[in-house]
Amino acid sequence: DVKVTQSSRYLVKRTGEKVFLECVQDMDHENMFWYRQDPGLGLRLIYFSYDVKMKEKGDIPEGYSVSREKKERFSLILESASTNQTSMYLCATRAGQETQYFGPGTRLLVL
Amino acid sequence: GIQVEQSPPDLILQEGANSTLRCNFSDSVNNLQWFHQNPWGQLINLFYIPSGTKQNGRLSATTVATERYSLLYISSSQTTDSGVYFCAPRDNYGQNFVFGPGTRLSVLP
Repeated sequence: DVKVTQSSRYLVKRTGEKVFLECVQDMDHENMFWYRQDPGLGLRLIYFSYDVKMKEKGDIPEGYSVSREKKERFSLILESASTNQTSMYLCATRAGQETQYFGPGTRLLVL
Repeated sequence: GIQVEQSPPDLILQEGANSTLRCNFSDSVNNLQWFHQNPWGQLINLFYIPSGTKQNGRLSATTVATERYSLLYISSSQTTDSGVYFCAPRDNYGQNFVFGPGTRLSVLP
């Protein structure tokens, strides 16, 4: 079974703080993704990566950056958290063009 | 990019009832997945179904790519089927899946 883990289920941060969300997968998948999910807006792609040290912008990259130093790990960074980044963050992985698998999600609250 | 619509947006069923969820998309697709998001937020793969029909227990899915739609059938629904069902196609030019707005299903005991 594919296992995708995220560093925290719930996180509370203050405006202006730097926030790291980490995603780890154990299936050697090349592709990794970060989404955010908001009521009424569905899942929106923030960034994705097709290989180590490679990253590509998704639909809503503003205010975020990512890091992929190892194949199994993909980090989402909020350089200076703002209240409008309060959301559910979901990590996903995929091998090639096949099925996509999601982690359990991180609910982030920025005060 | 590809546009995705799902219907109905909300559905309330009595336990034991059957239902059909629909996903329409605006362009040709070479890939499509159905997901179930449980009340705790976890997205679970149901089907990887770019075309044809697949069945898994009480659930089955059909994609008719030439007519740009996919259907998810839930038979003998259970309360654990509650949650949001997402359709996510990928078109022939896109690199990534595009998620529909979802259908929120509530199954009452």
